[in-house]
Amino acid sequence: DTGVSQNPRHKITKRGQNVTFRCDPISEHNRLYWYRQTLGQGPEFLTYFQNEAQLEKSRLLSDRFSAERPKGSFSTLEIQRTEQGDSAMYLCASSLLSYEQYFGPGTRLTVT
Amino acid sequence: AQSVAQPEDQVNVAEGNPLTVKCTYSVSGNPYLFWYVQYPNRGLQFLLKYITGDNLVKGSYGFEAEFNKSQTSFHLKKPSALVSDSALYFCAVRDLTPSGGYQKVTFGIGTKLQVIP
Repeated sequence: DTGVSQNPRHKITKRGQNVTFRCDPISEHNRLYWYRQTLGQGPEFLTYFQNEAQLEKSRLLSDRFSAERPKGSFSTLEIQRTEQGDSAMYLCASSLLSYEQYFGPGTRLTVT
Repeated sequence: AQSVAQPEDQVNVAEGNPLTVKCTYSVSGNPYLFWYVQYPNRGLQFLLKYITGDNLVKGSYGFEAEFNKSQTSFHLKKPSALVSDSALYFCAVRDLTPSGGYQKVTFGIGTKLQVIP
């Protein structure tokens, strides 16, 4: 069990640029989640996949955000036309069925 | 809507003393409750969960939590604190009301635990 991995760990970008993050879940986990965490807050749910299907999206996920999980394995989260308010830690988690979620180390995004 | 409250921003406890980190929740149906711990520059680590059964659940690193339905609480406890327990602790809840596969988990804002040598 290698755990959930996320790449890159850190990303600094200029306002208006597009960024893409990758998450590799635990191999046998069929469910994958994206969260956003800002300083002093708990993780906020963004979206959820069951296998390759995106089944739930938060209202926090604006049109500039898109997530995919092709073939039900790894997932990508893309943010287009980044804004300074997008600066946060983006967390990925996976689970087997509806059990507890296991989190990756996160990708810290800084928009300058 | 589901919600979690962690009323204490920080809890200080002397090493060797018992510790309690408080959590209360609100859901419309039955709760599925979790505790996670976050060390600096690390992802969240699962500690324990409650879904049904015995109100006292045991988890990793000697932690346990007590589910109290009447008080809608799920406090995290440990009989004897270690300096290495110092970290940020998050309580989380998921509503188990059948809703066609809705999977959202709501987290509290976290409680910083400081164990003093």
